[in-house]
Amino acid sequence: GESVGLHLPTLSVQEGDNSIINCAYSNSASDYFIWYKQESGKGPQFIIDIRSNMDKRQGQRVTVLLNKTVKHLSLQIAATQPGDSAVYFCAESNYNTDKLIFGTGTRLQVFP
Amino acid sequence: DVKVTQSSRYLVKRTGEKVFLECVQDMDHENMFWYRQDPGLGLRLIYFSYDVKMKEKGDIPEGYSVSREKKERFSLILESASTNQTSMYLCASSTDRVGTSPLHFGNGTRLTVT
Repeated sequence: GESVGLHLPTLSVQEGDNSIINCAYSNSASDYFIWYKQESGKGPQFIIDIRSNMDKRQGQRVTVLLNKTVKHLSLQIAATQPGDSAVYFCAESNYNTDKLIFGTGTRLQVFP
Repeated sequence: DVKVTQSSRYLVKRTGEKVFLECVQDMDHENMFWYRQDPGLGLRLIYFSYDVKMKEKGDIPEGYSVSREKKERFSLILESASTNQTSMYLCASSTDRVGTSPLHFGNGTRLTVT
């Protein structure tokens, strides 16, 4: 398959366990954050977003946590499945810019 | 679901050729974007457009141009392809400006310039 990164950090988890993927963002003025999932050979797929007036948001099997004090974002995946294997990356922006800044990504590997 | 369609999954072109990458979205989104994705460099913004016939340069516009004649279609043009333009090209669209709504991506065009 195609690789989106040569030396991405990798998180290996057992099927059924919970996964936590972390992201440190760079700009204290960022007020909107997004998590994407990218499977091999596909484009990034939107998972969940969060605004800076929140510190937690839940979706289906996923939770995003935002800690503005330390500029840290995390994605929690409950009951990880083989189909969750992919590269995950965060993105940050704010309303005053036209730019979405992407992190470099973390590869999630799920083993039986 | 939002659908962003890129016309080619794989392209092989020769140095010096003029290359057109086409992108169509079916959700009536105002905003469209072109990125390239390279190992170790992540996603880099080439051009974007907030309206028909409007375009703005991103972070790496050199060697590229774009065309947005219709709301649903955003084309990326490599005027004279070079080997350093070998990359994965990703088109995206969004309902609102960056910073207020997520971008939705197509599945990419992997371009090889020989």
